[in-house]
Amino acid sequence: DAKTTQPNSMESNEEEPVHLPCNHSTISGTDYIHWYRQLPSQGPEYVIHGLTSNVNNRMASLAIAEDRKSSTLILHRATLRDAAVYYCILVLSSGSARQLTFGSGTQLTVLP
Amino acid sequence: GAGVSQSPSNKVTEKGKDVELRCDPISGHTALYWYRQSLGQGLEFLIYFQGNSAPDKSGLPSDRFSAERTGGSVSTLTIQRTQQEDSAVYLCASSPGVNTGELFFGEGSRLTVL
Repeated sequence: DAKTTQPNSMESNEEEPVHLPCNHSTISGTDYIHWYRQLPSQGPEYVIHGLTSNVNNRMASLAIAEDRKSSTLILHRATLRDAAVYYCILVLSSGSARQLTFGSGTQLTVLP
Repeated sequence: GAGVSQSPSNKVTEKGKDVELRCDPISGHTALYWYRQSLGQGLEFLIYFQGNSAPDKSGLPSDRFSAERTGGSVSTLTIQRTQQEDSAVYLCASSPGVNTGELFFGEGSRLTVL
């Protein structure tokens, strides 16, 4: 199964951009790259996903390397409310079932 | 409500007792997942339901764990003869079932086994 590797923790100053990296060197051709985040005492929340092209939505941007072996989640202006654990995951397909495998994620701390 | 609803939000039980955790997915979502999260850990996949297909039970840690999904909607996760290591937050998620991978999570049920 393809896995992802993320730094355990990162810090950012409020109102500055944040670049959260993710390595997925064993990604297969049809795996989508998804990002979720989990605020304290809450369930995970979908952030963004992509396949090959860079993606933008109201929450963030996703930059995907040309070889798809890595990606970066970009928060353009971090706020205190963005402090959370960010998970980079791959959508796996296995026969008729499908499961999303979450790693340990990156704990983002936003400093005022 | 519009989101995934889980109950109870908190459950304290004694070792050896059985517990049931309930999940009401978003209406119309055909895929339903159960995960658990121990303190300070990432999410651990437990089981996956998709429509009328046989569930993927590959993540269930032991035969004390089972789950049902009735009528393609509500799901119940049952843990028999609970152990202290079962203490965790149990998270339910649903998705439209189309291959988007976007999951909508509930707030979770926190289980404490004394």
